[in-house]
Amino acid sequence: ETGVTQSPTHLIKTRGQQVTLRCSSQSGHNTVSWYQQALGQGPQFIFQYYREEENGRGNFPPRFSGLQFPNYSSELNVNALELDDSALYLCASRARDREFTHGYTFGSGTRLTVV
Amino acid sequence: GENVEQHPSTLSVQEGDSAVIKCTYSDSASNYFPWYKQELGKGPQLIIDIRSNVGEKKDQRIAVTLNKTAKHFSLHITETQPEDSAVYFCAASPTPTNAGKSTFGDGTTLTVKP
Repeated sequence: ETGVTQSPTHLIKTRGQQVTLRCSSQSGHNTVSWYQQALGQGPQFIFQYYREEENGRGNFPPRFSGLQFPNYSSELNVNALELDDSALYLCASRARDREFTHGYTFGSGTRLTVV
Repeated sequence: GENVEQHPSTLSVQEGDSAVIKCTYSDSASNYFPWYKQELGKGPQLIIDIRSNVGEKKDQRIAVTLNKTAKHFSLHITETQPEDSAVYFCAASPTPTNAGKSTFGDGTTLTVKP
C-alpha cells in the first residue's frame, strides 16, 4: 500500500474549464510534490509544498496552482485548461524532517483528458 | 536547468538475461540519482538510488553505477524475471532532500520474455 491516495483516478474536462485534483498523503508527510507525466514521457516537476507553503516551482505557468492543508492533503488546480494539459498528474510526498531513508512515495495518479 | 537523457527507450530481454539502462545528465550540481519503476496504472516506485560520493551500489539483483566525471549513471538488472517488466525512469537532483524536485528521463520500457 503506497500511503498516498489521489482522486479522482480519471477525469475528462473541456478546454477552458478549471479542474482540481486531490492528493491525500500519509500522516507526517509534510512535503508534497506534484508532477505532470505526458504519455510516453517522464514526470515533469510542477511545484512542491512544505508545511503549507510553496517551496519551489518548475517551468509551469501561473494557471497551475496548489494548496497544502494541515491534514497532509493537497490540491492541484489548473485554470483555463488546454488540450496539452492532458496527462497523468502525480503527487509524491515524504516526511522532510526525518532522515532521508525511503525517498518520496508516489500516488497512482489522476489521468486528466482535456477535449 | 538540468537535462536527463535516458537510453534505450525500449528494451526486450529473455528471462534470466541482464538488462542495462543508461542515463546522462547535464548539471554538475546534481548529486543524487534515484531510479524508479513504474508499473501499469501505478505511480513510480523508488527501487534504488545513488549519491555522488559513491561509485556503485547493489541491492540483490539490482545495481547502479555512477561516473560523475562523465556525468552518466546506469541501472543493471541481473537474472531478469517477467515481473521486472515495467517502465524504468532515472532522475537527478542536487541533494536527496531535493529529490521531490527531480528531473526525470523519459523512461525505458523493459519487457522480459519468459
